[in-house]
Amino acid sequence: AQSVSQHNHHVILSEAASLELGCNYSYGGTVNLFWYVQYPGQHLQLLLKYFSGDPLVKGIKGFEAEFIKSKFSFNLRKPSVQWSDTAEYFCAVNAGGSTLGRLYFGRGTQLTVWP
Amino acid sequence: SAVISQKPSRDICQRGTSLTIQCQVDSQVTMMFWYRQQPGQSLTLIATANQGSEATYESGFVIDKFPISRPNLTFSTLTVSNMSPEDSSIYLCSVGTTDKDKYFGPGTRLTVT
Repeated sequence: AQSVSQHNHHVILSEAASLELGCNYSYGGTVNLFWYVQYPGQHLQLLLKYFSGDPLVKGIKGFEAEFIKSKFSFNLRKPSVQWSDTAEYFCAVNAGGSTLGRLYFGRGTQLTVWP
Repeated sequence: SAVISQKPSRDICQRGTSLTIQCQVDSQVTMMFWYRQQPGQSLTLIATANQGSEATYESGFVIDKFPISRPNLTFSTLTVSNMSPEDSSIYLCSVGTTDKDKYFGPGTRLTVT
């Protein structure tokens, strides 16, 4: 079975600090990769996604992620976080590259940003 | 793209009762997914629902507990049967579209007392 690992369960940063959240997956074939964000009391929102092409993808709100195939990783980054980035972040994988298939989610990383 | 609505948005239910959650999509989609997000946990797939066929359940989930209907290409329901406090979760409907994106509904927050 496919699995997605997010190694950081809870990250605490001060405003303006840089952020990197790790995500690794276990699947040797074609994958579509996603990062979702869930702000307190709100539903899941798509932050960014990778399907093919340039392995460095840019998303909303200044976030970016880099797909490193050799490392089975899709780490999320932001050079300078804001208090409003406090949320839970989920990495998700669609194994096989199917356009319609299910997603496998990581356990999530809770990001807390202190003003 | 797809816009998904769910009803109810939240409910508080007594143990032993059942709740049916509705998921409505603004476009026709082949596959719909039901996920559960328990407090402090990630999302776990309950089942995949294709129109015109039986839902496919993930390990640990059974049809008697979580019956699903998929009467057409824009609608699905998930019933949580004979509820216990362990069923307290957020239940999310999701769809996959031909643009590869996955869209999620706002979720139904269920509390079982």
